[in-house]
Amino acid sequence: NAGVTQTPKFQVLKTGQSMTLQCAQDMNHNSMYWYRQDPGMGLRLIYYSASEGTTDKGEVPNGYNVSRLNKREFSLRLESAAPSQTSVYFCASSEAYSRGYTFGSGTRLTVV
Amino acid sequence: DQQVKQNSPSLSVQEGRISILNCDYTNSMFDYFLWYKKYPAEGPTFLISISSIKDKNEDGRFTVFLNKSAKHPSLHIVPSQPGDSAVYFCAASELAGYALNFGKGTSLLVTP
Repeated sequence: NAGVTQTPKFQVLKTGQSMTLQCAQDMNHNSMYWYRQDPGMGLRLIYYSASEGTTDKGEVPNGYNVSRLNKREFSLRLESAAPSQTSVYFCASSEAYSRGYTFGSGTRLTVV
Repeated sequence: DQQVKQNSPSLSVQEGRISILNCDYTNSMFDYFLWYKKYPAEGPTFLISISSIKDKNEDGRFTVFLNKSAKHPSLHIVPSQPGDSAVYFCAASELAGYALNFGKGTSLLVTP
């Protein structure tokens, strides 16, 4: 099915471990985004990529890095995981800058 | 500081009645407003949107209203169905902005 694919769907990390969350879209969208969802906090923007080759910080970028590998793929890396990064992470893409998104199904990350 | 606010964390409505989900925003530069629906363990899906040049947009059972003077978008669902039970996120963007700003969400429960 066309859309946004995120891997893995679930992950448990120990504090200090690193990992990369993968995201790929097949809709030829220019813009891609990473959000985290926490209880009572809604969706908060971590990083975004307005177009291939560019990335920028969002509201909560600390502890994360991103790579826009090509037009299709946008990865999120946690270099040294902390319990505060326990969350559900959503990748999204959009054709028009800051307009309607298509979201992936999310990655549920637990840091112990 | 939260620029998009959904002050009701939850709402319960009987099947067949109207559901009204409210949203408020503080940023006068927002010109586009969207509503997303989210089921558990899934990513948010786009529901309906409205531009600031309009005050109403309809799509079947879903209508979004925009009261610009009060900075108040709202989503009406008529008639409500049990399958509408989900978390609804209000989002907003600026024409020159870089991403959507989301509210914290309202959990709607439609009871038979």
